[in-house]
Parts: sequence; C-alpha cells; structure tokens
Amino acid sequence: EAQVTQNPRYLITVTGKKLTVTCSQNMNHEYMSWYRQDPGLGLRQIYYSMNVEVTDKGDVPEGYKVSRKEKRNFPLILESPSPNQTSLYFCASSLMGAYGYTFGSGTRLTVV
Amino acid sequence: RKEVEQDPGPFNVPEGATVAFNCTYSNSASQSFFWYRQDCRKEPKLLMSVYSSGNEDGRFTAQLNRASQYISLLIRDSKLSDSATYLCVVNEAGANNLFFGTGTRLTVIP
Repeated sequence: EAQVTQNPRYLITVTGKKLTVTCSQNMNHEYMSWYRQDPGLGLRQIYYSMNVEVTDKGDVPEGYKVSRKEKRNFPLILESPSPNQTSLYFCASSLMGAYGYTFGSGTRLTVV
Repeated sequence: RKEVEQDPGPFNVPEGATVAFNCTYSNSASQSFFWYRQDCRKEPKLLMSVYSSGNEDGRFTAQLNRASQYISLLIRDSKLSDSATYLCVVNEAGANNLFFGTGTRLTVIP
C-alpha cells in the first residue's frame, strides 16, 4: 500500500530533550515536506526536500532540523524542544509539487 | 495578509443539500490549486485538483477564476460522510510550498 509513515503518533516530552520524528514513504517520491498545524493558523511548512541531500527552509524552520540521506526517509529533529513547538506535525510526499501531496497520519507533540 | 483565505464556517446543512465553499489567494503567480479534506484529528487527504476549465468528480465540482484569484468547491446531494473540514490549497509556480487555508468546517445533519 502506498503510504507515508510517521512515528510516533503521540509524544509528550520535556523542554530541552532532543527528539526525532521519523517519516518514511514507499512511493519513490522526490519531494518531501514537514508541516505543523495549529488552531487558527492552518498548516505551515517547516522544511522541505526536493531530493536526497537537498533540503530547504519553509515558513517556520526555527527550532527544527531535517536530513535527507535516503530518498524514502525525511526525519524531523528538534534539538531543544520548547513549549511553543507543541503542535500537530505532518510529513508529506509528492512526485512533483503540482501533483498534490500524500500526508502521513500525523504526530501530536506536547512539550512541557 | 494570508496567502489563502477561507470562510471558516461552520456550515451545517441537511442531508441532500448543495453547499459551496469559496477561497481566495493572494499570489497571482500561483500555479496549482487543490481541495483537501481533513477529518477530525486525521491527516489531510487530496479531494481534487482544480483546473482552469473547472472540473467535476461525482458530486464535487471545483472552479478556478484566475482573474479574481478565487477558487470554489460545490458539493451536491450532501451525505453524512461529507462532514469534515475542507482545505483550500495553493502551490506557487516553481515553489515547493503548499499554502493552506485554515479550512471550512462542514457538518451534514440527518
């Protein structure tokens, strides 16, 4: 089944404790992105990647890192999480941006 | 000013009704347009792309007006299962960022 898999689905952590949210897609897509969704703000792009070793900042990159060492994986790293990073996170992939994106099931992160 | 603006609703309509959602976007260079559907606490799912000539998929019709920078979605014969939040999404030419509206919430009532 074609899909984008994120883990974990839910995560509660403390301020400053490094964490990684994994994302993997099995569709051989070139494009991958991370979004966060907050009430009243909609989905906002954090980082995106057009291919292996090619990443760039989206609209809200502060406090996040990503890597794209393999085509299928695009992990999101929070080196020192803060409470304002409490949010619902989605990973997405696309063959090309104009074709629309397939989203993962989301990761609900709470930073206390 | 937001890139994509939608009426947040909520829209509460009876089964069988026709309902229309509207969306405006600010960047005239926008190239690709979509409607996504998002159920509560779930991921957005692509409902349909929107083409300049307008397009239809069963009970759903999407229209694009580039001159007015306006996108619409029409749902005919609403079903209970259509209850969801509908997201208007725009992709700028040559860009890799999707700009999302905050969504319009629809509830179809028996």
